Amino acid sequence: GAVVSQHPSWVICKSGTSVKIECRSLDFQATTMFWYRQFPKQSLMLMATSNEGSKATYEQGVEKDKFLINHASLTLSTLTVTSAHPEDSSFYICSARDTSGPSTDTQYFGPGTRLTVL
Amino acid sequence: AQSVTQPDIHITVSEGASLELRCNYSYGATPYLFWYVQSPGQGLQLLLKYFSGDTLVQGIKGFEAEFKRSQSSFNLRKPSVHWSDAAEYFCAVGPRSYQLTFGKGTKLSVIP
Repeated sequence: GAVVSQHPSWVICKSGTSVKIECRSLDFQATTMFWYRQFPKQSLMLMATSNEGSKATYEQGVEKDKFLINHASLTLSTLTVTSAHPEDSSFYICSARDTSGPSTDTQYFGPGTRLTVL
Repeated sequence: AQSVTQPDIHITVSEGASLELRCNYSYGATPYLFWYVQSPGQGLQLLLKYFSGDTLVQGIKGFEAEFKRSQSSFNLRKPSVHWSDAAEYFCAVGPRSYQLTFGKGTKLSVIP
């Protein structure tokens, strides 16, 4: 149980185009999902917290107009990188928070999406 | 503010040897503590977690961790390492799983 999928697993795009990444909780409902960015050989950097049916909360320094987040259902959150530039190239990881029971309350992570902007 | 320190950036052990990865945290109340493992190019997989109760928690793949409040530590252990355990290990702390702070990670290399 507690599986989170991400699609696509990798994407290459041209500078100036937009890219959408999907994050799905497959076997549980997630009112809260998170988007992280990970640079090579570094830890995870939280970009934003996505709550179902409401606006995402962005961490300081993250451009909300560049990284659009939508959490339209209890199992799906999307991250759209708008007008992508080479500096946006990175490994993006989503997670979904499972709070379905008293002993849960855990973030489960997707497999990540490697974005390369040419 | 909460924080996590993983003092060891890189650890190398021989296959079959025991392993201990260190994690020290700073948090004002009783924390939620997690250990995740990440293989190259992959997402994070939950190894184990501590919320309350027994301070020695068992996880997947033969891992265990012990919560020591007096030392603000949550070290990860495995009695016998397998080559497939080579990966990056992250410790995380939070008030619940809502606002997790991750350590910088410890890379584990295993010598056959």
